[in-house]
Amino acid sequence: KQEVTQIPAALSVPEGENLVLNCSFTDSAIYNLQWFRQDPGKGLTSLLLIQSSQREQTSGRLNASLDKSSGRSTLYIAASQPGDSATYLCAVRTNTGTASKLTFGTGTRLQVTL
Amino acid sequence: KAGVTQTPRYLIKTRGQQVTLSCSPISGHRSVSWYQQTPGQGLQFLFEYFSETQRNKGNFPGRFSGRQFSNSRSEMNVSTLELGDSALYLCASSLTDTEAFFGQGTRLTVV
Repeated sequence: KQEVTQIPAALSVPEGENLVLNCSFTDSAIYNLQWFRQDPGKGLTSLLLIQSSQREQTSGRLNASLDKSSGRSTLYIAASQPGDSATYLCAVRTNTGTASKLTFGTGTRLQVTL
Repeated sequence: KAGVTQTPRYLIKTRGQQVTLSCSPISGHRSVSWYQQTPGQGLQFLFEYFSETQRNKGNFPGRFSGRQFSNSRSEMNVSTLELGDSALYLCASSLTDTEAFFGQGTRLTVV
C-alpha cells in the first residue's frame, strides 16, 4: 500500500527566503508525481507534474525534483512571497492495470511573513 | 478554457438524508475522480470513472456511490448521511492518467 509523507508539517519563513518542501513515498512503482497548492477552504491548484521518467520540472520560481528509486521528491520555492502562503500537497499516481489513483501526503502548511 | 466545476459549493444536510454532488470536468477529459478531504484523514480517494465505467474504488462503505454520464459529467451520491461524512469533497479530471485538475470542491456539513 502506497504511503506518502511530507516533512515538515508546517513552516514559517520570512519573505525572500528560499525553501524546500519534502515528500517521500513507500512504493517506487509510480506513474507520476504532482505537487499542488491549496488555499484555505479551496480546491487544489496544480503546480508541477513530474513523469516517472523525469528528474525535475520547473515553473517560474518553483522547481520540483524526483528520485524515484529512493522514493523522494522535493519542491524548491525561490524568493518566497507572502502570496505563497498556503498548504502544499504532493501526490503520487500509481497504476494497477487500467485503474489508477492519486495518493496524497498530509501536506506542508507554509506561512511567508513580511 | 473552463476548469472543473463542482456544484453545489456548500450543502447542509441532516443525519440520515442522502445527497448528490455534481462534477463537470474540463472539456475533453474523460477521467473523473472523487476525493474526500477531512482534517483528520487528509485527502482520501473515493472512486474513479473513465468513459462511464468505474475503474477504481477506494475503501469507503457502500453508502458512497457514483456514476459518469456520456458527456463525462459525474455525480457522487452519499446515502444515509452520518456526522462523519462532513468533509470537503473534491473532484478531479484528467485526459487519461496525466495531470489532474481539481474543482473548488463541495463543502458538506451533516448536522
